[in-house]
Amino acid sequence: SQQGEEDPQALSIQEGENATMNCSYKTSINNLQWYRQNSGRGLVHLILIRSNEREKHSGRLRVTLDTSKKSSSLLITASRAADTASYFCATDKDGNKLVFGAGTILRVKS
Amino acid sequence: NAGVTQTPKFRVLKTGQSMTLLCAQDMNHEYMYWYRQDPGMGLRLIHYSVGEGTTAKGEVPDGYNVSRLKKQNFLLGLESAAPSQTSVYFCASSYSWDFLPYEQYFGPGTRLTVT
Repeated sequence: SQQGEEDPQALSIQEGENATMNCSYKTSINNLQWYRQNSGRGLVHLILIRSNEREKHSGRLRVTLDTSKKSSSLLITASRAADTASYFCATDKDGNKLVFGAGTILRVKS
Repeated sequence: NAGVTQTPKFRVLKTGQSMTLLCAQDMNHEYMYWYRQDPGMGLRLIHYSVGEGTTAKGEVPDGYNVSRLKKQNFLLGLESAAPSQTSVYFCASSYSWDFLPYEQYFGPGTRLTVT
């Protein structure tokens, strides 16, 4: 079963625009993580946000977490063609195992 | 550092054959994981390990076995491959602090086809 569900499934934007992806989950969590996967490659960790945090930044990335709504969002500002990838949220509820969503496919057109 | 490496990168098996996928990490991580990724499904956890000599079942463990004889290695075995096991397999590892794991580092994947 998938805990996290990303929305939208696919997103196409122009270079320089912002991209927002959302993740909803079903049960309480310890933390929520976002990963990026380039085509044919392994996943790369982007940001980890703990259940007692509301917002976190890393470079052009901003992640928010609303535990009351069981949702998170990933914002990529000033997108670049190199940001083209699939983005996954993953929830950690018992400290050992991540449950991944199906991902959002982001295409940034130059 | 090589990070997380996986062997082999590609493999084609016939139904009923067996094989072992090898994962190695050089980051001294305690936790290691095996996932499978199918189209439109995201990643699903097969088995994981919280330390040398330990293994535990994940979300989809049936048809797979694992072993963690050395801290740096985590092996995934398919005893009798089935077409439903056609997938891309990813290994990951993570460090821990206060017995809680942190972000996971992934290998490049193994693409397995079972005919």
